[in-house]
This record gives sequence, C-alpha cells and structure tokens, in this order.
Amino acid sequence: GAGVSQSPRYKVTKRGQDVTLRCDPISSHATLYWYQQALGQGPEFLTYFNYEAQPDKSGLPSDRFSAERPEGSISTLTIQRTEQRDSAMYRCASSLAGTSGLETQYFGPGTRLLVL
Amino acid sequence: LAKTTQPISMDSYEGQEVNITCSHNNIATNDYITWYQQFPSQGPRFIIQGYKTKVTNEVASLFIPADRKSSTLSLPRVSLSDTAVYYCLVGSLDTGRRALTFGSGTRLQVQP
Repeated sequence: GAGVSQSPRYKVTKRGQDVTLRCDPISSHATLYWYQQALGQGPEFLTYFNYEAQPDKSGLPSDRFSAERPEGSISTLTIQRTEQRDSAMYRCASSLAGTSGLETQYFGPGTRLLVL
Repeated sequence: LAKTTQPISMDSYEGQEVNITCSHNNIATNDYITWYQQFPSQGPRFIIQGYKTKVTNEVASLFIPADRKSSTLSLPRVSLSDTAVYYCLVGSLDTGRRALTFGSGTRLQVQP
C-alpha cells in the first residue's frame, strides 16, 4: 500500500476485555515494529517481525501482550485482560530489510486505546 | 544499545538556525545515528541518518565529530511548522543492534 495503516484508529474498552489492534505495513517491507507511546513520551519498543519471524519481543510489558504476523504481512497486537495502564497510543512501523546503517521506519497513524 | 541524551526542550524563532545535540558516549563502531521528527498526533518521521563527518539533505544537516560520541542535528532557517519533537537514535543492523529506543526526545518550539 501507499503507507502504513492501522485499525481501529480509536478503541475504547472496559477493563478486563481483550483487544486486538491491526497493522497493515507498506507492501514491500519485510520488517514490522510495534511501539507503545504514552502522552508526552517517545515511542517505546514492544516487538518486531522480520516477515513472520519475531526475533525480539523483549519490550512486551507482560504476557497479556502478544503479537503475530502469520503470513509476513499484516500484523496484529492483542492485549488480553486489559488494564487502565494499557491506555496509550499504539504505533506500528515498517521498513525495508536493510543491510547496513539503520532501516528507515515508516510509521502508521496509530491506534489510541482507552481502557475504562 | 547506545544510550542517548538530548535536551528536553529548545525554543527558537522563525528564520533562525537550530542545532540540537545528542550525546551517545558508548556508541559502537558499527552504529549509525538517525534522527526522527514527530508532530503532535502523528507518528515519527525519518529526517536524516549518518555515520561520520557531515550529512546533508533537503531538510537538515547532521554533524558528527571524529570521536562520534555526539551528533548535532542542524535545521536551517526554521519555520513555525518545524515545531515538533526530535529524537536521536543510535544503532546498527550489522550487529543486530537495531536502534529501537526513542527516548523522550527534544521538544522544539518555534515562535514567530
């Protein structure tokens, strides 16, 4: 696609419910990242994928958080048993598989999650 | 991963040159330095990347001294639309040290 898209753009849920956020990366991009961004703070890394492989999920805050990218394109981030502290902007980014330097990440518009 | 330190905020006026310095004392040999810009309600956007000396593109310049322990993002003749948060990232693909830490960034406020 032309850019990274995310859905839904806004999600309001009640504490204890599960939510699933979706990211559709740029079609030619092998790498996909998930970040959590609190108001006034920079994005905090959650996990990333190279195609369908998930080499690093060290940023996931608890086992309630999981992500998948089964076919190496669209990815979902699921938060189980949501808590109020999960309220944040969730950002997805994608990049080409580079060979040196740092891959340029292209960010989507984000999903703002509010847990009541 | 290399830890970076940036000023929390900076103020400037339209038409001035703005220089934002990032310290990265434990930068590794293969690490690159990348700067992102983030406007309110948007995701970060790549500005510039460099390894050493000076890099320039249509938006900014990046100055990296020989010891590479710091870098300076230079924005020439800023305008109101340059008001944003600027993040410095340090890392490398070669060693798997992907720079995935944005930190709190530098909040630049440009005034008329």
